[in-house]
Amino acid sequence: LAKTTQPISMDSYEGQEVNITCSHNNIATNDYITWYQQFPSQGPRFIIQGYKTKVTNEVASLFIPADRKSSTLSLPRVSLSDTAVYYCLVGEVAGGFKTIFGAGTRLFVKA
Amino acid sequence: NAGVTQTPKFQVLKTGQSMTLQCAQDMNHNSMYWYRQDPGMGLRLIYYSASEGTTDKGEVPNGYNVSRLNKREFSLRLESAAPSQTSVYFCASKSQGATYNEQFFGPGTRLTVL
Repeated sequence: LAKTTQPISMDSYEGQEVNITCSHNNIATNDYITWYQQFPSQGPRFIIQGYKTKVTNEVASLFIPADRKSSTLSLPRVSLSDTAVYYCLVGEVAGGFKTIFGAGTRLFVKA
Repeated sequence: NAGVTQTPKFQVLKTGQSMTLQCAQDMNHNSMYWYRQDPGMGLRLIYYSASEGTTDKGEVPNGYNVSRLNKREFSLRLESAAPSQTSVYFCASKSQGATYNEQFFGPGTRLTVL
């Protein structure tokens, strides 16, 4: 499994764009990059996934450079409700493979 | 659809007691997972089941056993609970044929071992 490294915590203010970068130097050819969000007292929920270049959905954007050794989750104009832990995962999509969540990045959004 | 359900929601045990945490999913998913999350920490994988009839160890399997009872149900057993097993336990499931690496999580079981 490719190891991922992300910042332990980040602070932001409402209305700002937040970018969380994840390093995954040993990513394999078949691996995808997936991000989850976890609110207090809840299980994580999937927010976005990508293989290369850029992916955008109604929640976030995911930027992946050509070498795929890192990725950046971008949250546009955050609000207080975006305060959560964000996890970067790397692995194959199909099949029931072992998954490692790691410590994640704790994002604090201030008023 | 209820999604992923877990029972019980809360449990207090004494050291040495045993218990089984139940998990069921109604999404016809092949793969199921058990994680633990200690206060202020990330999730750690205990065991997973890629498909009915198979189980594999995760990052922290010691002190736990699992049973994939059928495609819907995946239980986690603590044979002799220890204070170090105080944690929130999450069960998750995933479709093997999915195009997204999306696991669906249950609400969690909050376990305290005294």
